[in-house]
Amino acid sequence: SQQGEEDPQALSIQEGENATMNCSYKTSINNLQWYRQNSGRGLVHLILIRSNEREKHSGRLRVTLDTSKKSSSLLITASRAADTASYFCATGLSGTYKYIFGTGTRLKVLA
Amino acid sequence: AAGVIQSPRHLIKEKRETATLKCYPIPRHDTVYWYQQGPGQDPQFLISFYEKMQSDKGSIPDRFSAQQFSDYHSELNMSSLELGDSALYFCASSFMRQGSPRSGANVLTFGAGSRLTVL
Repeated sequence: SQQGEEDPQALSIQEGENATMNCSYKTSINNLQWYRQNSGRGLVHLILIRSNEREKHSGRLRVTLDTSKKSSSLLITASRAADTASYFCATGLSGTYKYIFGTGTRLKVLA
Repeated sequence: AAGVIQSPRHLIKEKRETATLKCYPIPRHDTVYWYQQGPGQDPQFLISFYEKMQSDKGSIPDRFSAQQFSDYHSELNMSSLELGDSALYFCASSFMRQGSPRSGANVLTFGAGSRLTVL
């Protein structure tokens, strides 16, 4: 990947369980975003966290950002089968218009 | 609400041919991004435009070029196609906040993608 690594690469859980995905990056950023992608489809924005923020919530999503460790995590609570998708973090690089995507986590939620 | 429109959705070309992909951003969005996503890969940043001027360049091959026109639509031109160019090509648009564009935080809205197959 050009910038970020995500782990795990694949995650399989039961419906109702929580799913946690992690993203690490290398350079200075002004914000970090999480996107979801269903197989072969476009990416859909989930949540944005700025570099001066530590935690954000949106519905069943919770995102944390630790700029000292250059890492972020996405927590999906009470997962549903419909949450099955690939999840990518994208970092907005400071001083540029670039958004660089991490390698993604393939989440499978079993009904 | 209008979304990002990409065309064509599917394209099949032979090696060494050329291909042109088009992107129509959301009205009033001032920034366009192009990404390439190979099978099972993460989206790779190719190039971006802000107010019709190239703003940043990523891993775009020299065989590729792009531009944004006066009506804000963008085209990605790919020449001397290779088998490895087979991928999903996504366009995204966003609205940069006022002030310094390079310090803004803006959400990217993606199109459905154009799937290029090179035979």
